[in-house]
Amino acid sequence: KAGVTQTPRYLIKTRGQQVTLSCSPISGHRSVSWYQQTPGQGLQFLFEYFSETQRNKGNFPGRFSGRQFSNSRSEMNVSTLELGDSALYLCASSQDRLAGANVLTFGAGSRLTVL
Amino acid sequence: DAKTTQPPSMDCAEGRAANLPCNHSTISGNEYVYWYRQIHSQGPQYIIHGLKNNETNEMASLIITEDRKSSTLILPHATLRDTAVYYCIVRVAGQGAQKLVFGQGTRLTINP
Repeated sequence: KAGVTQTPRYLIKTRGQQVTLSCSPISGHRSVSWYQQTPGQGLQFLFEYFSETQRNKGNFPGRFSGRQFSNSRSEMNVSTLELGDSALYLCASSQDRLAGANVLTFGAGSRLTVL
Repeated sequence: DAKTTQPPSMDCAEGRAANLPCNHSTISGNEYVYWYRQIHSQGPQYIIHGLKNNETNEMASLIITEDRKSSTLILPHATLRDTAVYYCIVRVAGQGAQKLVFGQGTRLTINP
């Protein structure tokens, strides 16, 4: 069973540019979440998508956006990049149980460096 | 979500049991306790979760106190590959449970 796949694994951008990161969830998982990890702030929730709709959102500026496609694959976009956006961006997928625990499976992450 | 408190770091000898504590004194009745770990620069890895009863799987055991205000993750025979940051997270069940709040976790170092 394939895991969560994130592309690209590494990328370097300059301030003011934009970036798009991709995430392919585990087959059958309909919920996709995104997290940002930085040394200063740790792991922070960005947003979660289910059935092509954003269901939950963290406390990030509007420069951070995402979407989900009908096959559950997801992308996130960061526009007008700032130095502080340098981080490891993690995608996680899960089944969507109406009751009971929902376990997240994380990908390896996309490491973004903004120069 | 209930806030969790973990020691910032712990050491354990290889082959011994590693016991990682977590306090979650404000946990609600419908909140699960989850444990994840993150090995350097990798994505977090799910370990185990529980609601009220003690749980065991191939990776670890989870002991939850009767009042549910604290729990302990037990790695029965720690190896060097268990060196990682361990996160204890409390979250409601069902939809919306995907929004996890990660604290600073416990940095566990397994020593040879």
